[in-house]
Amino acid sequence: DAGVTQSPTHLIKTRGQQVTLRCSPKSGHDTVSWYQQALGQGPQFIFQYYEEEERQRGNFPDRFSGHQFPNYSSELNVNALLLGDSALYLCASGGRLSYEQYFGPGTRLTVT
Amino acid sequence: DAKTTQPTSMDCAEGRAANLPCNHSTISGNEYVYWYRQIHSQGPQYIIHGLKNNETNEMASLIITEDRKSSTLILPHATLRDTAVYYCIVGGSGNTPLVFGKGTRLSVIA
Repeated sequence: DAGVTQSPTHLIKTRGQQVTLRCSPKSGHDTVSWYQQALGQGPQFIFQYYEEEERQRGNFPDRFSGHQFPNYSSELNVNALLLGDSALYLCASGGRLSYEQYFGPGTRLTVT
Repeated sequence: DAKTTQPTSMDCAEGRAANLPCNHSTISGNEYVYWYRQIHSQGPQYIIHGLKNNETNEMASLIITEDRKSSTLILPHATLRDTAVYYCIVGGSGNTPLVFGKGTRLSVIA
């Protein structure tokens, strides 16, 4: 079992550009959540997907959007990148009724 | 905002028990206490969770006070690999979104 995988590992973008990050959940998991972790801070919840729909959303602007595919994998899209979007983006998966969430290694996004 | 308060940092000698405290005085009756840790440059890792009773698994023990306003995570025999940031989180059941604070940076010293 590969666990939660994320791609790419690192990414450098310019202000104003758009970026897509990808996540494959742990086998058997149907719920995917995305988090943003700025340097020195704890992760902040962006949104959660289940059954291909956004179910819950944190305090993030509409520039942050996502998608979940029938195989439960997910994408995070960020439009009009700002310098402040530079962070580690984490994907977590779990079963609908499970208490334990599994996190991927993250994608380090740098906006210049 | 996070509903928990944790010390910023702690040190522990290798082989000794590490006791990490957490205050959650505003916890609701149906909310759980979760502990995760994050080793440098990795994603957070689930450790344990509990509602009212003390819990133990292969990684740690969780002691929750009777009034549920505080808890302690115990790593019985800390190793250098336990050096990490430990997060105490209060949340609902199921696959609830996690609200992280800044956590406690635990340094295990040889």
